[in-house]
Amino acid sequence: NAGVTQTPKFRVLKTGQSMTLLCAQDMNHEYMYWYRQDPGMGLRLIHYSVGEGTTAKGEVPDGYNVSRLKKQNFLLGLESAAPSQTSVYFCASRGLDSGARETQYFGPGTRLLVL
Amino acid sequence: DAKTTQPNSMESNEEEPVHLPCNHSTISGTDYIHWYRQLPSQGPEYVIHGLTSNVNNRMASLAIAEDRKSSTLILHRATLRDAAVYYCILNNYGQNFVFGPGTRLSVLP
Repeated sequence: NAGVTQTPKFRVLKTGQSMTLLCAQDMNHEYMYWYRQDPGMGLRLIHYSVGEGTTAKGEVPDGYNVSRLKKQNFLLGLESAAPSQTSVYFCASRGLDSGARETQYFGPGTRLLVL
Repeated sequence: DAKTTQPNSMESNEEEPVHLPCNHSTISGTDYIHWYRQLPSQGPEYVIHGLTSNVNNRMASLAIAEDRKSSTLILHRATLRDAAVYYCILNNYGQNFVFGPGTRLSVLP
C-alpha cells in the first residue's frame, strides 16, 4: 500500500513552459486535493475533486488546470508557468482510515522552480 | 470557514510534555477539531481529531474545552522527531480543510 505518490519530486521550468504534475493514490478514496505551500506559509488549496470525472476550484486556482479521468489519479497542469508559481505542491486524498476516522493522506510533495 | 488561532512558535525540552494551544471561538456545533503536523520537507500527517470529548491515541492527546472554544494538543514526552509545524483545523464532514500557518515546535535536546 503505497498511499499517495507524486511525480516528479523536483522540476525546474522556464517562464512560459508547461508541465503536468501527477498524483496517484491506491486507497480507493473519492476525494483528492492539490495544495501549494510557499515558504513559511500554510497550505493553500488549488483545486480538488470529489470523485472520478469531477473537479472544483479551491482558494488559488488561477494559472492551474486539473483532471480526474481515473479515480486513482489527479493531474495538475500548468499551461504557462510563471515565477509566482514557484512553490512546493502537495497532493492529498481523503477517506476513512482503519479506525473509521476521516483523514487526509498527503504525498511527499513536488518542488517546482520557475525561472 | 471558522478560524483558528495558534502561537507562531513554541519550544520544548526533549522528554518533557508539550501543550500546544488552539483557540477557535467561532466554532460551530458540528465542527470537528483536527490536528495535523508537518515534519521538515514532508507533507502533513494526521495526528488526532475530536468533537466534544477528550481523545487519546498513540501519538498524542486532545483536550477540548467544555465550551469548545479552545483545545490543546498534548504530546506526553516530546522527542526530537516531534519537531514540526502543528496545524489546528476546524472541519465539518465533507468540507475542505483550511490550513493556517500553524505552530512551529522546536524540541531541544
